[in-house]
Amino acid sequence: GDSVTQMEGPVTLSEEAFLTINCTYTATGYPSLFWYVQYPGEGLQLLLKATKADDKGSNKGFEATYRKETTSFHLEKGSVQVSDSAVYFCALRGGSNYQLIWGAGTKLIIKP
Amino acid sequence: DAGVIQSPRHEVTEMGQEVTLRCKPISGHDYLFWYRQTMMRGLELLIYFNNNVPIDDSGMPEDRFSAKMPNASFSTLKIQPSEPRDSAVYFCASSSTPGGTDTQYFGPGTRLTVL
Repeated sequence: GDSVTQMEGPVTLSEEAFLTINCTYTATGYPSLFWYVQYPGEGLQLLLKATKADDKGSNKGFEATYRKETTSFHLEKGSVQVSDSAVYFCALRGGSNYQLIWGAGTKLIIKP
Repeated sequence: DAGVIQSPRHEVTEMGQEVTLRCKPISGHDYLFWYRQTMMRGLELLIYFNNNVPIDDSGMPEDRFSAKMPNASFSTLKIQPSEPRDSAVYFCASSSTPGGTDTQYFGPGTRLTVL
């Protein structure tokens, strides 16, 4: 079945560092891919998405490119801030299935 | 819009008691999801509804769990009897078509502690 694998956390960086959180997937067909973010004490919220190969999703300085050849959707940000500290979830939706398949989440800690 | 509303935000109960969690989705959304989040198991989909009808409840852990959606603006998740291993944060989320379920809007969650 479909699955999503994320890099284990926590990922700890200093402010202004470059961020990459790896996400790879297994799916039949052409899934849509998503990154959600969960700030402490809150529910998840959509950060960005891409619906077809080579699409780049972007929001709040974060980017991710849908790479079908490597089945990846890595999240990147050029310069992180303390306020980016949160848990980041990669997810996919495949075909006619209306469910989202979730990764385990990666906790990001940014130190000033 | 007020977003997805969940109540209560925190619930502490004793083993064996009945627990009812409530959710009001965003007006106009026709999909509603119940999730459970724990450190050990991460985010798990329990059940989801489309137009108030349960579509997939394969994630419901056992018969102690039940969910209803009597109308488009209200859903409940009930645990009877509750057990300590049910302690978790329970999220409700909603979404709408034709955007499908891409953007799920989550509520703030209910933190359940079963003693």
